[in-house]
Amino acid sequence: AQSVTQLGSHVSVSEGALVLLRCNYSSSVPPYLFWYVQYPNQGLQLLLKYTSAATLVKGINGFEAEFKKSETSFHLTKPSAHMSDAAEYFCAVSVGGGSEKLVFGKGTKLTVNP
Amino acid sequence: DGGITQSPKYLFRKEGQNVTLSCEQNLNHDAMYWYRQDPGQGLRLIYYSQIVNDFQKGDIAEGYSVSREKKESFPLTVTSAQKNPTAFYLCASSITPSANYGYTFGSGTRLTVV
Repeated sequence: AQSVTQLGSHVSVSEGALVLLRCNYSSSVPPYLFWYVQYPNQGLQLLLKYTSAATLVKGINGFEAEFKKSETSFHLTKPSAHMSDAAEYFCAVSVGGGSEKLVFGKGTKLTVNP
Repeated sequence: DGGITQSPKYLFRKEGQNVTLSCEQNLNHDAMYWYRQDPGQGLRLIYYSQIVNDFQKGDIAEGYSVSREKKESFPLTVTSAQKNPTAFYLCASSITPSANYGYTFGSGTRLTVV
């Protein structure tokens, strides 16, 4: 069965610093991978998704993620953090072949310090 | 604009009461999902439905019930059998029964037992 591990439940960066949020997946078949962002008391919003077209995926708000099959990873990065990036981020996986549901990681809360 | 509407945004329940959370989508999506979110536990799947008049239990279905009489609507009832219902509830939909395209989320309902 597929699973997702997000390393670090809390990450803190300074404004302008690199953001790196880690996600590792477990899947025996090629996965579909997603990053979502959640602001307080709101639903989840799709940041980006990997569907095998390209290993480097660009998303909204300057975020991008790279699919590395050899490392079973899909880490989320942003070169320069902004105060508005403070939120909780979730990685999710769907196994190809008509999987019925996404499996979510437990989330990483990002704090951006001025 | 198309989207998912969850209502109410805040809901208070007395001990022993059943309450129903509304979820409506105008995206013409086939599948709909209910998740429960508690701090530090990520998203846990309660129920999902891939077609009208059919639904499946998720990981934490006990104490909850759903119906899918219309494609647009997937209400969730939190029954008195759910011993710890205080949580943030998220409804989501997917364009097809496969999760490979990802989900669109509603803005959530925060349920509090008083």
